[in-house]
Amino acid sequence: EDQVTQSPEALRLQEGESSSLNCSYTVSGLRGLFWYRQDPGKGPEFLFTLYSAGEEKEKERLKATLTKKESFLHITAPKPEDSATYLCAALDNYGQNFVFGPGTRLSVLP
Amino acid sequence: DTAVSQTPKYLVTQMGNDKSIKCEQNLGHDTMYWYKQDSKKFLKIMFSYNNKELIINETVPNRFSPKSPDKAHLNLHINSLELGDSAVYFCASSQVHEQFFGPGTRLTVL
Repeated sequence: EDQVTQSPEALRLQEGESSSLNCSYTVSGLRGLFWYRQDPGKGPEFLFTLYSAGEEKEKERLKATLTKKESFLHITAPKPEDSATYLCAALDNYGQNFVFGPGTRLSVLP
Repeated sequence: DTAVSQTPKYLVTQMGNDKSIKCEQNLGHDTMYWYKQDSKKFLKIMFSYNNKELIINETVPNRFSPKSPDKAHLNLHINSLELGDSAVYFCASSQVHEQFFGPGTRLTVL
């Protein structure tokens, strides 16, 4: 069965304190790995897609990387506005089944 | 302009009732989805429609039925509502794999 796990469940950082979020996946052939940001009371907002091991994508203070078993979302010098829940999702090789992880709730304190 | 919209935003109803949630996207995307996010914030795919054809149907009760009058709309009908149906329901659309989510409908069954 396809599965996605994320760690840690929650993370508190001081402003400027860099860290990484982990997403581990078990899918029958990975077609794509996706990162989303979700603010309270809102729908998830797309951040990145990664398709193959070794691939990296960057956007402002965020960088996503992918290996054959996991993905990392690196946050460099975070700001309070980066506080949100970060979700990762895996798409299987059939291209039909998106499996989301439980998310990491990030709080960045000023 | 709102890319993916849902109505209503909140829905409170009694057990046993039948209700519908509407979703519209103005992005011209070919595929639309319905997700359920439970109290633990797990996002689980329920249905997806591609050009009016159901291509994923996860093991959801047949009380749930998606209906797509055209490519821009995917409505969710729920019959005989149960307490366990209480959750936030998200509609999403995509052209390739990156999904754009609506703001969600919080359903409360009393």
